[in-house]
Amino acid sequence: GAVVSQHPSWVICKSGTSVKIECRSLDFQATTMFWYRQFPKQSLMLMATSNEGSKATYEQGVEKDKFLINHASLTLSTLTVTSAHPEDSSFYICSASDGYTQYFGPGTRLTVL
Amino acid sequence: RKEVEQDPGPFNVPEGATVAFNCTYSNSASQSFFWYRQDCRKEPKLLMSVYSSGNEDGRFTAQLNRASQYISLLIRDSKLSDSATYLCAVNRGGSQGNLIFGKGTKLSVKP
Repeated sequence: GAVVSQHPSWVICKSGTSVKIECRSLDFQATTMFWYRQFPKQSLMLMATSNEGSKATYEQGVEKDKFLINHASLTLSTLTVTSAHPEDSSFYICSASDGYTQYFGPGTRLTVL
Repeated sequence: RKEVEQDPGPFNVPEGATVAFNCTYSNSASQSFFWYRQDCRKEPKLLMSVYSSGNEDGRFTAQLNRASQYISLLIRDSKLSDSATYLCAVNRGGSQGNLIFGKGTKLSVKP
């Protein structure tokens, strides 16, 4: 199957700082990438859909100014959590679409102190 | 009605058992269907696509019922390693590759 990488795999930061997460499709071009968040023992929650070269579409309740998404190329999308707070601590997972299905990155575990 | 619904479980079964999960979807325009598996603290991984005629991959069988708008996953001869959460996914009508995921069904296979 297609490979999607995510970096970093985990990060610990202080409250108020910003954290940038990268998502790359390694062996295919992805016109659409997705960002999810998952809290412990809960289901995946779609945060936003990111299309190359255009603005991301955010799900209801997700603050676009807090979660900045950039999809600069067909293989790279980034999510920046700005002014992170402890309640933003979660497992952030990206996925990339090959036009048929979605392949997930390994996720980034964010802990905000 | 939610777009994609699954029984959250948990399903607790002994090794060797046969277990089946169902997933219903609301958009009749959906054309692509998938099952994913997610292990604890890991990302979801594609398990199999679901085809109209039904398809099998070893101990796993997936079926689609368009009339009733549900897909199913059957696992035969359960192994301890099958313990995971199984997510069904359906494409948003008219949008290939853009999937809606169910909340997942947790399976626990016991010795």
